[in-house]
Amino acid sequence: SYVLTQPPSVSVAPGQTARITCGGNNIGSKSVHWYQQKPGQAPVLVVYDDSDRPSGIPERFSGSNSGNTATLTISRVEAGDEADYYCQVWDSSSVVFGGGTKLTVL
Amino acid sequence: QITLKESGPTLVKPTQTLTLTCTFSGFSLSTSGVGVGWIRQPPGKALEWLALIYWNDDKRYSPSLKSRLTITKDTSKNQVVLTMTNMDPVDTATYYCALWPQDGYNYFDYWGQGTLVTVSS
Repeated sequence: SYVLTQPPSVSVAPGQTARITCGGNNIGSKSVHWYQQKPGQAPVLVVYDDSDRPSGIPERFSGSNSGNTATLTISRVEAGDEADYYCQVWDSSSVVFGGGTKLTVL
Repeated sequence: QITLKESGPTLVKPTQTLTLTCTFSGFSLSTSGVGVGWIRQPPGKALEWLALIYWNDDKRYSPSLKSRLTITKDTSKNQVVLTMTNMDPVDTATYYCALWPQDGYNYFDYWGQGTLVTVSS
């Protein structure tokens, strides 16, 4: 089965740029989607199809995907961005989630 | 406005069968391409996909849990039901249902609030 690998944690100071990676075999050939989950809340889709944003998601959230790594980039990080982030792909008729990354805003 | 809400028991005993219902509004599961999925999350752990049912009754299951899962839909009631057999304490988790917006759009764009299910004797 397909495996998505995320770093357990990423830390960034307010106003800086956070980059969260999602590794997978030739992931660049798949569409990658990203969810934000704050404590006690359901996940929220923040990026879909590698780099598109749903309505209502700030432009500070962007994504890229190439080779074996997809990246969620959060620019001008705010305290409210502190959350867990999950990547997700569709592979062999199955939904696959990454292990999640906890973003800490210092 | 699209909403989804999960309902079911909060506590089940080991070996019992869990039945969860997702009641939704704001979309129809008879619309071509639309699906509803179930995802769970053990306390402090990652998301795990369980099952997905499409408008045409096509179904997909997590390979690791396929033998224990059944997903069905009642379009007239705007409900999707997930059953999981032979529950074990490791199945303790928050269970979410979510909207799969269209075939080919392979993500969940609206989620329910989740329901915590504890498996304990």
